Amino acid sequence: KAGVTQTPRYLIKTRGQQVTLSCSPISGHRSVSWYQQTPGQGLQFLFEYFSETQRNKGNFPGRFSGRQFSNSRSEMNVSTLELGDSALYLCASSQGQGVGSYEQYFGPGTRLTVT
Amino acid sequence: KQEVTQIPAALSVPEGENLVLNCSFTDSAIYNLQWFRQDPGKGLTSLLLIQSSQREQTSGRLNASLDKSSGRSTLYIAASQPGDSATYLCAARGAHQAGTALIFGKGTTLSVSS
Repeated sequence: KAGVTQTPRYLIKTRGQQVTLSCSPISGHRSVSWYQQTPGQGLQFLFEYFSETQRNKGNFPGRFSGRQFSNSRSEMNVSTLELGDSALYLCASSQGQGVGSYEQYFGPGTRLTVT
Repeated sequence: KQEVTQIPAALSVPEGENLVLNCSFTDSAIYNLQWFRQDPGKGLTSLLLIQSSQREQTSGRLNASLDKSSGRSTLYIAASQPGDSATYLCAARGAHQAGTALIFGKGTTLSVSS
């Protein structure tokens, strides 16, 4: 079974631009979560999508948004980029429903650098 | 608000040693706790998941325990090897939340020398 894939793996953007990151979950998984990892803050939860609906949201500004498609693939968008948005963005998938089905599997991440 | 802490932040041991990594959480109302490994610049690899009703889980040389009443989990690594060098993260999922959001500790960076 293929793992979680994320594209692109690396991105360099300029302040003020916007960026879209993509995540394809493990086949059969309906939940996709996004996390931001920085050296100072560690791993922080951004949001989770399950069956095309946002199920949970972390404490990030509205510049961070996401969506999920009918095939469970998810995209994350960051508008008006700031230097502080430079981070490793990780996507995780899980079955998302039912007892014992919340084990999360992470992708390799997208390294975003904002200059 | 759940907070997860991992101590120590870094650990260096010689090959062959048995070691214990610690994880503590402030809210005992958790659904499960998951241990991950992260190699530099890479994603996370799931090592072990312990449901709230379980006390421990084992996989090969790894054993994770969970004590909800004291808000602690430990990851025991037996007979450490240089290939075990990585950052180890623990993460808790709250029992009263929607969805799968995990609260992470900042990790313990392990270095095993040959």
